[in-house]
Amino acid sequence: SAVISQKPSRDICQRGTSLTIQCQVDSQVTMMFWYRQQPGQSLTLIATANQGSEATYESGFVIDKFPISRPNLTFSTLTVSNMSPEDSSIYLCSVEAARGYEQYFGPGTRLTVT
Amino acid sequence: SQKIEQNSEALNIQEGKTATLTCNYTNYSPAYLQWYRQDPGRGPVFLLLIRENEKEKRKERLKVTFDTTLKQSLFHITASQPADSATYLCALPSGGYNKLIFGAGTRLAVHP
Repeated sequence: SAVISQKPSRDICQRGTSLTIQCQVDSQVTMMFWYRQQPGQSLTLIATANQGSEATYESGFVIDKFPISRPNLTFSTLTVSNMSPEDSSIYLCSVEAARGYEQYFGPGTRLTVT
Repeated sequence: SQKIEQNSEALNIQEGKTATLTCNYTNYSPAYLQWYRQDPGRGPVFLLLIRENEKEKRKERLKVTFDTTLKQSLFHITASQPADSATYLCALPSGGYNKLIFGAGTRLAVHP
């Protein structure tokens, strides 16, 4: 399994500002995933991040709003840009298991936009 | 597109009983299906994966079944304990790169 940490664990931000969330893995992984989970809702995939290439975004999510960096095989960042209260959510990163299809998740970043 | 349905109502059971949670999907049968546990304030934790050619999979007190005819998976916890109280999520592969889509989850509460 992989151990994943995220920073910050929570934040309260003003409308119109941006927040960058960091995701660190204790081993090298090919793919990292970023999800959003709104209160009482399911996880929704925002994008898949591969090292050395641009992230692949899901329908409804765009790079200008959620730019992602993947500078190496153990680290990624997700930025939530020009935030509005609708962006209040938990943001989670995950990685795929080295052998198998399961994913390992970070603890999440709880974002509140006022 | 694929949709996943899990019972949104919480399941309340007595300690020692078997908890059974349901996951239904609407379209094509996936190559595999996964179950995760999520505790409040934490990320999901992988529990079990069952492939389309497997009818049943067990791990300690957990059992998962997969019926491609009914488009349904059942997740059982036998001899349930209060520590099993959590939200349980069903997930299916969707598209390339082993992307997963998740159900909304069912909250299980096991009472002493």
